[in-house]
Amino acid sequence: GQQVMQIPQYQHVQEGEDFTTYCNSSTTLSNIQWYKQRPGGHPVFLIQLVKSGEVKKQKRLTFQFGEAKKNSSLHITATQTTDVGTYFCAGMAGNKLVFGAGTILRVKS
Amino acid sequence: SAVISQKPSRDICQRGTSLTIQCQVDSQVTMMFWYRQQPGQSLTLIATANQGSEATYESGFVIDKFPISRPNLTFSTLTVSNMSPEDSSIYLCSVGQGNTIYFGEGSWLTVV
Repeated sequence: GQQVMQIPQYQHVQEGEDFTTYCNSSTTLSNIQWYKQRPGGHPVFLIQLVKSGEVKKQKRLTFQFGEAKKNSSLHITATQTTDVGTYFCAGMAGNKLVFGAGTILRVKS
Repeated sequence: SAVISQKPSRDICQRGTSLTIQCQVDSQVTMMFWYRQQPGQSLTLIATANQGSEATYESGFVIDKFPISRPNLTFSTLTVSNMSPEDSSIYLCSVGQGNTIYFGEGSWLTVV
């Protein structure tokens, strides 16, 4: 079946440093979605990317969807302590959403 | 986005018992899903809850263990049957709007 691989599994950064998580799919995706889950919380929808090569920004967060629609990345510029949590990518193939393993981000102040 | 309410939010359950989780949405939605998130893990789709018909289960999940009801377009239940410690997880109701999935706050179950 379809697989969505996400790396790194874990990253610990100093406040102010940048952070990137990467997502790769074994198949072409119709769209990719990103979620953030705070410790003790539930996944919260961040954004959806649909078009090949699409780039979207939300303040310090930049999301990219690859040209082949098989990979994606989330980049956070100048991390803050409020960015801590687990970031999940999720790829839509057909009507099913398949989640990556998630990247745990810890920010040291 | 839809507002999704789940009950219970947390519970501690005895081994061998069953627990039913309720999911209420504030608007009619076609697509409702149940996910499981085991401790420290990602989200795994259990089944799609179909209104008026049997749920569609993913590989590794069966109706006898996870019976699901969907009596209308705003409500669904998931039962975790004959629980064991391995069932300790967060169970998340979610709805699809367009191509986006929104999650409820989850039901955190601990089986002892």
